[in-house]
Amino acid sequence: QSALTQPASVSGSPGQSITISCTGTSSDVGSYNLVSWYQQHPGKAPKLMIYEVSKWPSGVSNRFSGSKSGNTASLTISGLQAEDEADYYCCSYAGSSTLYVFGTGTKVTVV
Amino acid sequence: EVQLVESGGGLVQPGGSLRLSCAASGFTFSRYWMYWVRQAPGKGLVWVSRINSDGSSTSNADSVKGRFTISRDNAKNTLHLQMNSLRAEDTAVYYCTRGGYSAGFDIWGQGTMVTVSS
Repeated sequence: QSALTQPASVSGSPGQSITISCTGTSSDVGSYNLVSWYQQHPGKAPKLMIYEVSKWPSGVSNRFSGSKSGNTASLTISGLQAEDEADYYCCSYAGSSTLYVFGTGTKVTVV
Repeated sequence: EVQLVESGGGLVQPGGSLRLSCAASGFTFSRYWMYWVRQAPGKGLVWVSRINSDGSSTSNADSVKGRFTISRDNAKNTLHLQMNSLRAEDTAVYYCTRGGYSAGFDIWGQGTMVTVSS
């Protein structure tokens, strides 16, 4: 099972909106509404930002939103802030054999 | 405070073994499926292993099948990962994480580093 494909980097200015794509296949992203997104600051553990494509865990800002179309999921960060600068990973359920596959990761830079 | 704390990482020679532990606190450990996820230096996250809430069912990624075994002790609120026949490519930070939401890992430990090298 190959990793989901994400852009290596995305940048934006404070206050802007950016979108990170996450492309999988019909065996993972395309088959299940079980995509989650994680934020990871350097040297820190990942933090769950979105689950089930577009739901927010308790305590996560609604500036982060998720969506999915076909085999591609997306994370949008609105009102970009300096503290949003981090690595972001998508993850999809991929069936009872493979279980989970993560994305390649995207470095978000606030310029 | 809801918390996961890993331990047991270190330097091991190729072919060696290591047992990781993850101590859970602040929540009812026995209600949750638990997972191990690893991250090689400078690389992305990779799911490794999963165990259901009562320990009766486990799954492993193909890359570790036959070498790694996940287990849990609900009486001691502890998750384990027994790693045998270690290879250089197993070098990574290993995180334990809770399956708190549907297909969402909501609580993560700080990670423990495993280095496989001669």
